[in-house]
Amino acid sequence: NAGVMQNPRHLVRRRGQEARLRCSPMKGHSHVYWYRQLPEEGLKFMVYLQKENIIDESGMPKERFSAEFPKEGPSILRIQQVVRGDSAAYFCASSSTSQGNYYEQYFGPGTRLTVT
Amino acid sequence: GESVGLHLPTLSVQEGDNSIINCAYSNSASDYFIWYKQESGKGPQFIIDIRSNMDKRQGQRVTVLLNKTVKHLSLQIAATQPGDSAVYFCAEKGGTSYGKLTFGQGTILTVHP
Repeated sequence: NAGVMQNPRHLVRRRGQEARLRCSPMKGHSHVYWYRQLPEEGLKFMVYLQKENIIDESGMPKERFSAEFPKEGPSILRIQQVVRGDSAAYFCASSSTSQGNYYEQYFGPGTRLTVT
Repeated sequence: GESVGLHLPTLSVQEGDNSIINCAYSNSASDYFIWYKQESGKGPQFIIDIRSNMDKRQGQRVTVLLNKTVKHLSLQIAATQPGDSAVYFCAEKGGTSYGKLTFGQGTILTVHP
């Protein structure tokens, strides 16, 4: 059973370009979470999605950032007009259920975004 | 606001020793806690979790203790090995949040052979 897949693993963008990060959850998982990690810091929650629905986007910046999890295909985190402050590691996690409020989130290897 | 923090940012131990990593949390509504291990260049790896209705939970070589009175969480690693060297994060889920995990800053564990 393959784990959470993320691609690309490394992404370099110039300021003003767009970055698209992809996440394929574990087989059988329908809940996806995106986190951002700055160097030597903990992970910060960005957004929680289920298929075709955004459940919680309280950690998403109001501008330039968007996320989707379509019925078919991977979840996409999109950053428009990137700035140097967007440079970070972006991790995706998936879980099978949030019923009962207890679940395990399994993380992918992350995408390291560098904005030059 | 909500926060999860660690008392010690670094911990160095000798191979074979027991390690204890501590974590403090401030959200009294937190009902679920997880410890993750993160090696350089990799994503967080699930180690062990505990629900708020428990005080202790044991896994293979690891034990998590939860003290709700003082809002403190600890991870004990028995017979620490060089392969245990990594950054360890505690994370909590608030009782009213569906999926959001709040992470601490992390403790760097270094195990010397």
